[in-house]
Amino acid sequence: GIQVEQSPPDLILQEGANSTLRCNFSDSVNNLQWFHQNPWGQLINLFYIPSGTKQNGRLSATTVATERYSLLYISSSQTTDSGVYFCAVEEPGNEKLTFGTGTRLTIIP
Amino acid sequence: GAVVSQHPSRVICKSGTSVKIECRSLDFQATTMFWYRQFPKQSLMLMATSNEGSKATYEQGVEKDKFLINHASLTLSTLTVTSAHPEDSSFYICSARTQPGYGYTFGSGTRLTVV
Repeated sequence: GIQVEQSPPDLILQEGANSTLRCNFSDSVNNLQWFHQNPWGQLINLFYIPSGTKQNGRLSATTVATERYSLLYISSSQTTDSGVYFCAVEEPGNEKLTFGTGTRLTIIP
Repeated sequence: GAVVSQHPSRVICKSGTSVKIECRSLDFQATTMFWYRQFPKQSLMLMATSNEGSKATYEQGVEKDKFLINHASLTLSTLTVTSAHPEDSSFYICSARTQPGYGYTFGSGTRLTVV
């Protein structure tokens, strides 16, 4: 099956800093989503982005499908951004999401 | 937007008992729902795909007799953990989407502790 690797695994930043999270996948995908899992376990959908670039406030994401990677940018980090960020992909002809390994982000006041 | 409701959010049960978890699509119909399991500090792993009106499809290594899935209507799927053991303690979360080509929405999850 498809492999989805995220980097870095852990990231500790000061409040106000910017960060870039990366998601690499081993095969073609129909769908790619970025999620933020809060401390209570809730998965919050950030972006549905199989290709191209999207922005939502301080967050933006870019997927380069031909090169099999996606990037999530967080600017002016806040403590509420802390948590685990997952990317998840859907392969063509296979209606299910495969999750990446995750990046644990900790924002220090 | 699409909302998926999951209950209970937390449950503690004794070894040997069964626990049922419900997943509902509140504002859309879902012919397919998905059940994931997440162990502490790990990623989410798909357990099974729940199909309305037919048998669920289980991922390799998931015991279908232990994790019973029922998808009796277009808005409700249930996961029953039968004869639970401490190693079944985990975070279980369901998902669905309004239609192919759209993103998936997740329930709030159920934290199961078997004592």
